[in-house]
Amino acid sequence: GAGVSQSPSNKVTEKGKDVELRCDPISGHTALYWYRQRLGQGLEFLIYFQGNSAPDKSGLPSDRFSAERTGESVSTLTIQRTQQEDSAVYLCASSFGTSGDIQYFGAGTRLSVL
Amino acid sequence: SQKIEQNSEALNIQEGKTATLTCNYTNYSPAYLQWYRQDPGRGPVFLLLIRENEKEKRKERLKVTFDTTLKQSLFHITASQPADSATYLCAHSSGTYKYIFGTGTRLKVLA
Repeated sequence: GAGVSQSPSNKVTEKGKDVELRCDPISGHTALYWYRQRLGQGLEFLIYFQGNSAPDKSGLPSDRFSAERTGESVSTLTIQRTQQEDSAVYLCASSFGTSGDIQYFGAGTRLSVL
Repeated sequence: SQKIEQNSEALNIQEGKTATLTCNYTNYSPAYLQWYRQDPGRGPVFLLLIRENEKEKRKERLKVTFDTTLKQSLFHITASQPADSATYLCAHSSGTYKYIFGTGTRLKVLA
């Protein structure tokens, strides 16, 4: 596609439910990032995928968070047993996977946990 | 730990003036520093990248400087326009894939 696509754009859920967020990266981009952005804050790194290498999960805030990526395509971020503090915009970015890379971002998924 | 700081207060300037945004870093020397623009409800969009061995980079009305002595990058928008109003984020990397983002500075250009 022309850009990074994320779905859904908005998600409202009840505390304790599981949610799954999807990211379609730009074709040909081997690297994929997930970030969390709380209101008025910067981007908080969550996880990084590069090709077939083991992902860097060092930014995941708890074991309720997990992410998968199939090859160099779609990625899903799953949050289990959501809490109110999980409310944020979740941004996905992709890049060619080289040092100093430009990251191309999707519009994000706005998650609201009631 | 590595820290990157941007002025969290909004910057208001008059149309036609030069806007200057600051990004300070501590406890490390970034190999790359990037600037992104973020509009409400959108993801960040890349603007400029500067490497540690570069002093200055330009692109149209945009200019970025990198002072490794002061541990600071400045981002300038000359002849600013109301359409330049947005939040501007800086992000650094030590040379790997991992970037650390600042909280951003909101710029408002007044007509």
